[in-house]
Amino acid sequence: EGQLLESGGNLVQPGGSLRLSCAASGITFSDYGMAWVRQAQGKGLEWVSAINATGTKTYYPAPVKGRFTISRDNSKNTLYLQMNSLRVEDTALYYCAKETGHMGPFDIWGQGTMVTVSS
Amino acid sequence: EIVLTQSPGTLSLSPGERATLSCRASQSVNTYLAWYQQRPGQAPRLLMYDASKRATGIPARFSGSGSGTDFTLTISSLEPEDSAVYYCQQRINSWTFGQGTKVEIK
Repeated sequence: EGQLLESGGNLVQPGGSLRLSCAASGITFSDYGMAWVRQAQGKGLEWVSAINATGTKTYYPAPVKGRFTISRDNSKNTLYLQMNSLRVEDTALYYCAKETGHMGPFDIWGQGTMVTVSS
Repeated sequence: EIVLTQSPGTLSLSPGERATLSCRASQSVNTYLAWYQQRPGQAPRLLMYDASKRATGIPARFSGSGSGTDFTLTISSLEPEDSAVYYCQQRINSWTFGQGTKVEIK
């Protein structure tokens, strides 16, 4: 069964930047769309970005559009999330997740990487 | 944006009882609705997709139903390990999640 391992979470000041990575194993990475989902402490799940299998289409919800950029390197089986202009409200555990198919639900999740935005 | 509203907020039941969780969408999502289980300290796990299809390895006591705007997740006979927060998710227009229903086992 496939596995996803996130990294790159850290403490950063408001207005700062951070890049998260998600390394995939045990799956044919280039066959699937991927996504990032975050969860603030004690709160629910919030989808923050998605990318299709080839990397040619990306999707963002309003709260992060223009600040976050999702990308992927299929030769390295790795997903990325570049986060700029970070805000206190971006503080959360960030999960990467694999889609079951195009625009599908998420059937494999990583364990998450923590991003804390604070001065 | 499609808003998903889950009810109740918390469900407290005994082992062996039946749990019924609701998810209502602000507009039709056809059957493009999934359910996830998140146990404390763990990542979410896909339970159901396309409203009524069980994901791989999910026990038969979990079932889903509904279409359009009203959906239900049923756990026919609760086990202690079913203690978790359950989220619905739509995928007809990007993705959004409901706010979750916490299931407590007495």
